[in-house]
Amino acid sequence: QLQLQESGSGLVKPSQTLSLTCAVSGGSFSSGGYSWSWIRQPPGKGLEWIGRISHTGSTSYNPSLKSRVTISVDRSKNQFSLKLSSVTAADTAVYYCARVGPGGYLSYWGQGTLVTVSS
Amino acid sequence: QSALTQPPSASGSPGQSVTISCTGTSSDVGGYNYVSWYQQHPGKAPKLMIYEVSKRPSGVPDRFSGSKSGNTASLTVSGLQAEDEAEYYCSSYAGSNNLVFGGGTKVTVL
Repeated sequence: QLQLQESGSGLVKPSQTLSLTCAVSGGSFSSGGYSWSWIRQPPGKGLEWIGRISHTGSTSYNPSLKSRVTISVDRSKNQFSLKLSSVTAADTAVYYCARVGPGGYLSYWGQGTLVTVSS
Repeated sequence: QSALTQPPSASGSPGQSVTISCTGTSSDVGGYNYVSWYQQHPGKAPKLMIYEVSKRPSGVPDRFSGSKSGNTASLTVSGLQAEDEAEYYCSSYAGSNNLVFGGGTKVTVL
């Protein structure tokens, strides 16, 4: 059974860079046809797609976040990462990682990790 | 890209059916058969319930069904059960490997 686990700093100061990693276990990280995504959910609000990366490293980002987001992959460690720069309180959210199937469905999700932006 | 439009709430009695709409544009919902639906209970990660408009992943009860007409997709939950009370989100492929979510619908079992 494929499992995803987010890790990273739970508290980030305004204007700094948020960094998270998603470790993938129980399956092939480099399966053709699948990519890997980050999604976030501010407290009490809905889901927002952040971006995705293929196992080859090709990326796509939400246009509203594109200038601040970088998603990268480390195939040797079966993990992928998120960096979000110049954070503000509006970036406070639970951040999820997920596997993306062909056409964009998110079939496996991590448990989520809360990141708070505060001084 | 703008968020897809869902009603904020829906409700039904046990055993009844409830249908949730998800309205987008010809650039997302209407342009691709790549609509998916997710169920989220409080404090939990979302769970995939429907993908590619109407397909159910293994383990999802056949009480859950999906459809699409034009720029609007729908999720129907038949034979409502107490455990179906949750937030439901739609999502669609929006071209150029982008995804977009709906704002979510809170389903209450009366």
